[in-house]
Amino acid sequence: DQQVKQNSPSLSVQEGRISILNCDYTNSMFDYFLWYKKYPAEGPTFLISISSIKDKNEDGRFTVFLNKSAKHLSLHIVPSQPGDSAVYFCAASPAGGTSYGKLTFGQGTILTVHP
Amino acid sequence: DTGVSQDPRHKITKRGQNVTFRCDPISEHNRLYWYRQTLGQGPEFLTYFQNEAQLEKSRLLSDRFSAERPKGSFSTLEIQRTEQGDSAMYLCASSLGLAGTETQYFGPGTRLLVL
Repeated sequence: DQQVKQNSPSLSVQEGRISILNCDYTNSMFDYFLWYKKYPAEGPTFLISISSIKDKNEDGRFTVFLNKSAKHLSLHIVPSQPGDSAVYFCAASPAGGTSYGKLTFGQGTILTVHP
Repeated sequence: DTGVSQDPRHKITKRGQNVTFRCDPISEHNRLYWYRQTLGQGPEFLTYFQNEAQLEKSRLLSDRFSAERPKGSFSTLEIQRTEQGDSAMYLCASSLGLAGTETQYFGPGTRLLVL
């Protein structure tokens, strides 16, 4: 079963506009959420994270929103730049217990930012 | 801090051969994870270590797979009697191992092709 889902396989955005990437999860034990960016032939690069005790976290152009009741998170990139073009993965894990740190990933969303 | 490194970056082998991959984590990180990523999917958890102890293994890790982390530093992942279905990107990640803020940093991956 797919516990973390990214329902949009791709997203195309104009440079300077906002990119919004969405992610849904089903496991209520997930307490910590992360976004990674991945270029071809490279490993995922950590972007931003959020704990379930918060509903928003910002880092520069990147903001992650968490709606625990809806089991939904989103990543906002403002303004989008051509260098942001990559595959974006959301990931989730329990924050405690024996399985903390074991990440469950979504399938990824390919973001293309056009100049 | 040179980040997580993996060796080799690419491996082509014939079905039935054994292969071994190496991962060197960020030096102060206690936890080391192995993931596998196939085309169009997000990384899938395989196993992880807390220092030298292997704490959890996924059902994906058949008996042909074995991982070690002697002395709690680098780790090796061995696949015996490789099959074409083993073709994938094998990713290693490391983290400090702090519950609640478990951010993993990934290496560049080893791409395996089994002919």
